Amino acid sequence: GAGVSQSPSNKVTEKGKDVELRCDPISGHTALYWYRQSLGQGLEFLIYFQGNSAPDKSGLPSDRFSAERTGGSVSTLTIQRTQQEDSAVYLCASSLVAASTDTQYFGPGTRLTVL
Amino acid sequence: GENVEQHPSTLSVQEGDSAVIKCTYSDSASNYFPWYKQELGKRPQLIIDIRSNVGEKKDQRIAVTLNKTAKHFSLHITETQPEDSAVYFCAASTGYSTLTFGKGTMLLVSP
Repeated sequence: GAGVSQSPSNKVTEKGKDVELRCDPISGHTALYWYRQSLGQGLEFLIYFQGNSAPDKSGLPSDRFSAERTGGSVSTLTIQRTQQEDSAVYLCASSLVAASTDTQYFGPGTRLTVL
Repeated sequence: GENVEQHPSTLSVQEGDSAVIKCTYSDSASNYFPWYKQELGKRPQLIIDIRSNVGEKKDQRIAVTLNKTAKHFSLHITETQPEDSAVYFCAASTGYSTLTFGKGTMLLVSP
């Protein structure tokens, strides 16, 4: 079946602009996760959803970052007033349920470049 | 919170050799340890995982071992091939499901 998809694949924006990144999880997966991967670094957890609720937002780096999920499916990560340090690959993952032992499947990522 | 350390950061081997990547974690409550392989420009893909009630797991040329007492786990790749070249990430999961990742190991397999 179809895997996790993300759009756009690449986004170039100017400092100070807002951006929206989209994630489509695997059909039937109730849990959805956002991670950030900076050059040469591991994956940094941002936020996760169980259904439409976000029990853990602890990884969001500042109040410029927000995310929502509607209908238990598509999620949007919004970054307001982008800064150059926001440049990274933003990865989305989904799992059947939000359980510590459930496999997370990743999307291809959105490469964000802030000029 | 959880902290995962991964070593080495780069590993070069000759084709046919074995490769070992090691990770340590800090939270004794962690109970799930996946390994992901990420090829250049591609998404991370799960290659093997282990749960805390198991000490070792094998899948063809790949194996993972877990020592809960010492809080470390390792990835072993035998008979390496050039297509094994990639960045490998370990991770640990506790409680409600978020994964804490190591910083990755770049594995280079030379023909």
